[in-house]
Amino acid sequence: GQNIDQPTEMTATEGAIVQINCTYQTSGFNGLFWYQQHAGEAPTFLSYNVLDGLEEKGRFSSFLSRSKGYSYLLLKELQMKDSASYLCAVWKGSGGGADGLTFGKGTHLIIQP
Amino acid sequence: DTAVSQTPKYLVTQMGNDKSIKCEQNLGHDTMYWYKQDSKKFLKIMFSYNNKELIINETVPNRFSPKSPDKAHLNLHINSLELGDSAVYFCASSQEGTGWDGQYFGPGTRLTVL
Repeated sequence: GQNIDQPTEMTATEGAIVQINCTYQTSGFNGLFWYQQHAGEAPTFLSYNVLDGLEEKGRFSSFLSRSKGYSYLLLKELQMKDSASYLCAVWKGSGGGADGLTFGKGTHLIIQP
Repeated sequence: DTAVSQTPKYLVTQMGNDKSIKCEQNLGHDTMYWYKQDSKKFLKIMFSYNNKELIINETVPNRFSPKSPDKAHLNLHINSLELGDSAVYFCASSQEGTGWDGQYFGPGTRLTVL
């Protein structure tokens, strides 16, 4: 079966750093995505990791360890607008994106002043 | 310009009715998808279409049928609506090949079945 686990909810303080973890066990693996979703809105793409290591993009970084089936999303200098759900998703396909993404249940991040 | 658009944004209907949701993308992408997000915010793939061919159908009841008149459109038809169909339905698109940057999602259609 497919199993993608991430914490249901996390709370952090404005200006701080937070790390959202994701572990996965899937029948195939061709990359891991992180999406951000604000309440009532569509998910928006944050990052994509296919090789082991850290990908940095401004205040957001994403890490992948394929041998451990593990990823994390690191958010620095937290802002109130970062309050949202963060979705970890695995792409199982072997070429192109036609097989869709398998999502975890999302982590609801609450930023406090 | 909106990259992926869906209509309607909200849809309220009675059990047993038939309804459609439309999706259009102007990104020139090859593949389009339908996802369902339930009340617990769990996002799950329903269908994937590539060049007007159905690629995946993830154990979705046959009351749901995707229709793709061309590469830029993927509509979702739902027959005999049930209470459990209430959810937010997202259309998405992506481009195959290298440098894949994920899927672009439409704004969602919130379906409420009474």
